[in-house]
Amino acid sequence: DIQLTQSPSSLSASVGDRVTIACRASQTISINLNWYQQKPGKAPKLLIYATSNLQSGVPSRFSGSGSGTDFTLTISSLQPEDFATYYCQQSYSSPRTFGQGTSVEIK
Amino acid sequence: QVQLVESGGGVVQPGRSLRLSCAASGFTLTTYGMHWVRQAPGKGLEWVAVIWYDTNNNYYADSVRGRFTISRDNSKNTLYLQMNSLTADDTALYYCAREKGAQTGIDSWGQGTLVTVSS
Repeated sequence: DIQLTQSPSSLSASVGDRVTIACRASQTISINLNWYQQKPGKAPKLLIYATSNLQSGVPSRFSGSGSGTDFTLTISSLQPEDFATYYCQQSYSSPRTFGQGTSVEIK
Repeated sequence: QVQLVESGGGVVQPGRSLRLSCAASGFTLTTYGMHWVRQAPGKGLEWVAVIWYDTNNNYYADSVRGRFTISRDNSKNTLYLQMNSLTADDTALYYCAREKGAQTGIDSWGQGTLVTVSS
């Protein structure tokens, strides 16, 4: 099974900061990497699919990059509504797997 | 619009069984891969199972393989998860979710149904 490792596990940032979250796969997954945002008490929400494609309705301050085994989610200017937990997930093969999550907290 | 509504959760004793349901509307189940994903209290997301367009092509997480069975009723447009031999480690909020394919992501999720395994 493909393992995904996110870093950092948590971070503190201020509104307006640029935030970067990394996701590393245990083997190559081409561009089949997706990012989700989850707020407390809510279901996850798809932000980015296939590494760099913004899901409909997601603000353009979110972006994704990478290929192979190393991927990045970037929030260009953190907004109050972006404080949440972010997960990467691979769709290269089944079983699908998620990273352990990165909690973005207010500094 | 697309809607996924889970049901069937509750409190169950260790070793017992439970069947979860996920009623889909706004789309046809057979045109999507359908997943169950769970989240233990205070923990991250754990992928559980998927049923693909061909119902013979199902996959399970190691933690549930042999105990859980994913299925669907096309006439009811409903997804199921039969869970047997439950343990405390299965306590979680269970989400159903859909995926069109490897390069689309899981684009719709239900609100989840809570399963608590406790004596």
